Amino acid sequence: GESVGLHLPTLSVQEGDNSIINCAYSNSASDYFIWYKQESGKGPQFIIDIRSNMDKRQGQRVTVLLNKTVKHLSLQIAATQPGDSAVYFCAENPMDSSYKLIFGSGTRLLVRP
Amino acid sequence: EPEVTQTPSHQVTQMGQEVILRCVPISNHLYFYWYRQILGQKVEFLVSFYNNEISEKSEIFDDQFSVERPDGSNFTLKIRSTKLEDSAMYFCASSWTGNSYEQYFGPGTRLTVT
Repeated sequence: GESVGLHLPTLSVQEGDNSIINCAYSNSASDYFIWYKQESGKGPQFIIDIRSNMDKRQGQRVTVLLNKTVKHLSLQIAATQPGDSAVYFCAENPMDSSYKLIFGSGTRLLVRP
Repeated sequence: EPEVTQTPSHQVTQMGQEVILRCVPISNHLYFYWYRQILGQKVEFLVSFYNNEISEKSEIFDDQFSVERPDGSNFTLKIRSTKLEDSAMYFCASSWTGNSYEQYFGPGTRLTVT
C-alpha cells in the first residue's frame, strides 16, 4: 500500500545548529519526493524536491538525501534559524499518478534561541 | 509574488448543510487541487482538476463532494451534506503543469461542522 511516514513528531534544535528531519516511505514506485514546510496558520510551502534517480540535491541551506535501498528520505537544514520553526512534511508523487501528493505525518521543528 | 487565496478562512456549519469553499488559484496555472488536513493529522489528497474536468480523485472524494471552475478565476469545492467528520482544514493548490510536486498551496479554510 501507499505510506509515507516520519520517525519523530518533534525535533528541538539550538539556533545555528544543523537540523536533520527524517522520513520513511514504503511505496517504491514514486517518481519524486518532496519536502514541504507548514508554518502555523498557513498552507504547505514547497522547499525542495528530489527525483527518484538521484540520491542528493542541494538548495539554499537545505539538502535532501534519498536512500532508495532503505526507503529513507531526509532533509538537512544548515544553520537553523528561528524562522525555520514549522512542521515539515515529506511527500511523494507516485509514478502512476501525476496529479497527487501523498504526505507523511509531519515533524515539528522547534528552534531554541 | 502570486499566491493562491481561499475564502472564507473559517466556516462553521451544521451537520447536513451544504458548504462551498472558494479558491482563487494563481492566474496562469492550469492544474487545480483540493487537499484536507484533519486536526493533528497529515495532509490528504482529495481531487485534481484540469481542463474543466476531474483528473484524479481519492476515495475520500465521494458523491457528497464536487468541484467546479465556474469562471476563469475561481475554483470551488462543494460538500452537499456535511458530516461531523468533514471538519478539517481544506487546502486549495494549483500548479502550472501536471507535475504535482510544483503545487502552490493556499492558506486553507477551516471547516467546523457542528
